[in-house]
Amino acid sequence: DAGVIQSPRHEVTEMGQEVTLRCKPISGHDYLFWYRQTMMRGLELLIYFNNNVPIDDSGMPEDRFSAKMPNASFSTLKIQPSEPRDSAVYFCASSQTGVVYEQYFGPGTRLTVT
Amino acid sequence: KQEVTQIPAALSVPEGENLVLNCSFTDSAIYNLQWFRQDPGKGLTSLLLIQSSQREQTSGRLNASLDKSSGRSTLYIAASQPGDSATYLCAALNAGGTSYGKLTFGQGTILTVHP
Repeated sequence: DAGVIQSPRHEVTEMGQEVTLRCKPISGHDYLFWYRQTMMRGLELLIYFNNNVPIDDSGMPEDRFSAKMPNASFSTLKIQPSEPRDSAVYFCASSQTGVVYEQYFGPGTRLTVT
Repeated sequence: KQEVTQIPAALSVPEGENLVLNCSFTDSAIYNLQWFRQDPGKGLTSLLLIQSSQREQTSGRLNASLDKSSGRSTLYIAASQPGDSATYLCAALNAGGTSYGKLTFGQGTILTVHP
């Protein structure tokens, strides 16, 4: 398997613009997680899905953030409108129900909002 | 609410030293504990995963232990090399309730191994 795939790898946008980050989990994994990493706050869980259903979105910072998982092989994280404080690295991870639940991370999307 | 703390925040050692990274967690109701490595500007690579029923896991020069009752895990790196320089993160996977499946991360230990 190719692992967790994220796109784009880098995104530079102006304040106020809409940003869409994409993730393809590992085939067969039924959990999908979105994280954000900054120097100040470290790694934070934003939202996670199980079988395409959002389970916990308590980490989503505000209404400007939304996430969807229309099918088992694709998820999006959208920021509208974007702000400079949203600049961070956004990671997607997936795992599979079972004995281990090991999470596998994608390479991340580095977002810069100017 | 689970909280994970890593000590020290940064560590600089000469090549060849054996070293220990510490991780503590406040809620012992965990499913497993994972140790990750992150190189600058890169994603997270899983190093070791210890299930709640296990005491330790080993991979090459790495050994991770888990003491659920005391809320502690350690990552032992033997004969450190400059290539081990990276940030090491531990993360606890919560079990039960509404937090099931949720990883809580520590802030990481930045390790520098100098030749």
